[in-house]
Amino acid sequence: NAGVTQTPKFQVLKTGQSMTLQCAQDMNHNSMYWYRQDPGMGLRLIYYSASEGTTDKGEVPNGYNVSRLNKREFSLRLESAAPSQTSVYFCASSESRGRNIQYFGAGTRLSVL
Amino acid sequence: GENVEQHPSTLSVQEGDSAVIKCTYSDSASNYFPWYKQELGKRPQLIIDIRSNVGEKKDQRIAVTLNKTAKHFSLHITETQPEDSAVYFCAAIREDNDMRFGAGTRLTVKP
Repeated sequence: NAGVTQTPKFQVLKTGQSMTLQCAQDMNHNSMYWYRQDPGMGLRLIYYSASEGTTDKGEVPNGYNVSRLNKREFSLRLESAAPSQTSVYFCASSESRGRNIQYFGAGTRLSVL
Repeated sequence: GENVEQHPSTLSVQEGDSAVIKCTYSDSASNYFPWYKQELGKRPQLIIDIRSNVGEKKDQRIAVTLNKTAKHFSLHITETQPEDSAVYFCAAIREDNDMRFGAGTRLTVKP
């Protein structure tokens, strides 16, 4: 039981390049989330998927797109990376939205030069 | 949306002392308040949570209190140990809404 798995662990991009961060969970959770973590700012929600087939914007969605490929997988895409998107990205999942424990992946450290 | 403020941003205590971290929230509809611990370079992990129908919850050396009227909740760690050193995040969530995190408290426990 791996929990929440994120790939890649590290990535360096040049400004304007695109990439997709992958996330998969094996806990049969309905809800999945993408956060970014910047120094001194805690975790900020980018997008979430309350259930398979739905996605919604969080606090900081600009510059990102997401796809809930199936119940297990939730990907985050940067179409044209900018230096402001340099951050650590965490994927998380929970049984459902609301008052449920969120389990986090190990994170992806992204640098945009 | 919800706004969560967390204090202090850094906290240093001697081993064996207690540590208290406080959070305030703005949305009175928030009804679930988890606390996460994040060690350096690792993922956040839930350490304790409290729901709005409860005023206090304890788990060994960790306790959380909630004052719904004042819209604040606190994490209490007693008999601190060096392995308690980490960044702690509070969060508040309204049912069927996104979760907002505090900015974090870096706790250092000096041996």
